[in-house]
Amino acid sequence: DSGVTQTPKHLITATGQRVTLRCSPRSGDLSVYWYQQSLDQGLQFLIQYYNGEERAKGNILERFSAQQFPDLHSELNLSSLELGDSALYFCASSPWEGNYGYTFGSGTRLTVV
Amino acid sequence: GIQVEQSPPDLILQEGANSTLRCNFSDSVNNLQWFHQNPWGQLINLFYIPSGTKQNGRLSATTVATERYSLLYISSSQTTDSGVYFCAVGLTSGTYKYIFGTGTRLKVLA
Repeated sequence: DSGVTQTPKHLITATGQRVTLRCSPRSGDLSVYWYQQSLDQGLQFLIQYYNGEERAKGNILERFSAQQFPDLHSELNLSSLELGDSALYFCASSPWEGNYGYTFGSGTRLTVV
Repeated sequence: GIQVEQSPPDLILQEGANSTLRCNFSDSVNNLQWFHQNPWGQLINLFYIPSGTKQNGRLSATTVATERYSLLYISSSQTTDSGVYFCAVGLTSGTYKYIFGTGTRLKVLA
């Protein structure tokens, strides 16, 4: 167990729907990062939060949004889902704001049908 | 943007063999990690190694930041070493994201 908890582990939903992925960072970690892993794009950085504030944005679609709550857990919201959004979504955490060693959660496998 | 290239892309080993995986990056970095993605999809942190050499059991890694490469050594490979090995680099300025290489897919045969 890495200490980073992601739920749910698997999610199957239909096109056009909205889902929420949840991540609880390791105890004491203030930074949360979201990544998407698809077969054709590899591991792509989506967004980072540090202590509740957005710190960096990557290739995140406008249909996607995220936030980090006061208890430091984070949620990634995916809306108007398309078949191409099917992927593994990973959350990682690190102690500080800068780029230090990551610890990844076990991921959420999203299948859009 | 920065390019991260890993070689070889695929590797098949007999159990007990040694191997070296390479990661080249095109720009200065201040962070580098090696990860192992097992067949169940989990990403496991192997080394945080922005420079120097580290060892952990049968695995060791060396990063020469000035020459923009890192090496991951696997000795006495086991079937449980199978999976994909990723190198990820963090830039020296601007963003806090890691850029991942395309990975080396390793299969260890019993």
